[in-house]
Amino acid sequence: SYELTQPPSVSVSPGQPANLTCSGDKLEDKYVCWYQQKPGQSPVLVMYQDNQRPSGIPERFSGSNSGNTATLTISGTQSMDEADYYCQAWDSRTAIFGGGTQLTVL
Amino acid sequence: QVTLRESGPALVKPTQTLTLTCNFSGFSLTTPKMCVTWIRQPPGKALEWLARIDWDDDKLYSTALKTRLTISKDTSKNQVVLVMTNLDPADTATYYCARIFSPGSYHIDYWGQGTLVTVSS
Repeated sequence: SYELTQPPSVSVSPGQPANLTCSGDKLEDKYVCWYQQKPGQSPVLVMYQDNQRPSGIPERFSGSNSGNTATLTISGTQSMDEADYYCQAWDSRTAIFGGGTQLTVL
Repeated sequence: QVTLRESGPALVKPTQTLTLTCNFSGFSLTTPKMCVTWIRQPPGKALEWLARIDWDDDKLYSTALKTRLTISKDTSKNQVVLVMTNLDPADTATYYCARIFSPGSYHIDYWGQGTLVTVSS
């Protein structure tokens, strides 16, 4: 079965860029989206179709997908960006979620 | 305004059947390319996709859980129902329903608030 792999945790200093990765076999052949989830809240879509930002999502969020790795980049990370981030893609009529990355801003 | 709200029992005994209802508003499941999906999240763990039902009644299920899941819709009531059989304590999770309306990428654009289901005797 298809798997998406994310690092469990990433730490970044305020104002610095954060690169969150998501790896899967030939991932570039699939559309990847990203969800942000803060404690006690439902997930929120922050990126879709690899690099499309939904309305209301700050411009500091960007995405890419090449080879076996998709990346969500947060430029100028802010304390409000501290959250869990999940990548997701579809494979053979099945939705696959990555294990999530806990982003810490300190 | 799109909203989704999950409802169901908060506590279920092992081996019992769980029925969850998603009531939604602001869209119709008769609209071409519209979908409703269910995702769950055990406490402190990652999201896990369960099932999806499409506007044309196509139904997709998690490979790991497909023998235990049934998804259905009632377009007249704006409802989607998920039935899960033979519950186990490992099924303890927050269950979310969500909307997909994005031909091509099938990303989730709206989520419900989730409902916590505990499986315990």
